[in-house]
Amino acid sequence: ETGVTQSPTHLIKTRGQQVTLRCSSQSGHNTVSWYQQALGQGPQFIFQYYREEENGRGNFPPRFSGLQFPNYSSELNVNALELDDSALYLCASSFQTSGIAKNIQYFGAGTRLSVL
Amino acid sequence: QKEVEQNSGPLSVPEGAIASLNCTYSDRGSQSFFWYRQYSGKSPELIMFIYSNGDKEDGRFTAQLNKASQYVSLLIRDSQPSDSATYLCAGLTSGTYKYIFGTGTRLKVLA
Repeated sequence: ETGVTQSPTHLIKTRGQQVTLRCSSQSGHNTVSWYQQALGQGPQFIFQYYREEENGRGNFPPRFSGLQFPNYSSELNVNALELDDSALYLCASSFQTSGIAKNIQYFGAGTRLSVL
Repeated sequence: QKEVEQNSGPLSVPEGAIASLNCTYSDRGSQSFFWYRQYSGKSPELIMFIYSNGDKEDGRFTAQLNKASQYVSLLIRDSQPSDSATYLCAGLTSGTYKYIFGTGTRLKVLA
């Protein structure tokens, strides 16, 4: 167990709908990163939040947005869902310091999103 | 485009053998590398990280990093059927806190 929890575990939506995924980071961690993992692929970086601000973004359109709260938990929101958004969404928490060599990320169990 | 590349496999090894998993990366500024194990339908689980040239051992696992050749590897000694999983290599990109993952190598340990 990594101490990173995600909800819900599974979700079925239809094209055009909106979805919110949630993540609680491990105790003591201040950074949350979100990844999308399609079947048979490695996780793709969506964005990262540090101290409630976006701290880097991957090649995802603006309809993917997020929030980080004062307790370091986080949400991923996806608007106007498309069929290709069907994937496993992973949240990873870490403790970010000036010595970034380690910056070890621990993953939650993920949310499997199916878009019909 | 900064990339991390892995052979997708499957890599099949007999039980008790050494499994060797390899990864190359294109960003010379990458500082640290991470190996995750992912069972089917589950989330990635950290096995090891390495950020200095050379070898790092932890139990049956040894990570190797060669920054000059931009090459990372993971050796699993005395492979067990329970080691059968997909192994993901990730690099920490320079100047950011972003991981770049490879597509993973599927390992099958045959009993």
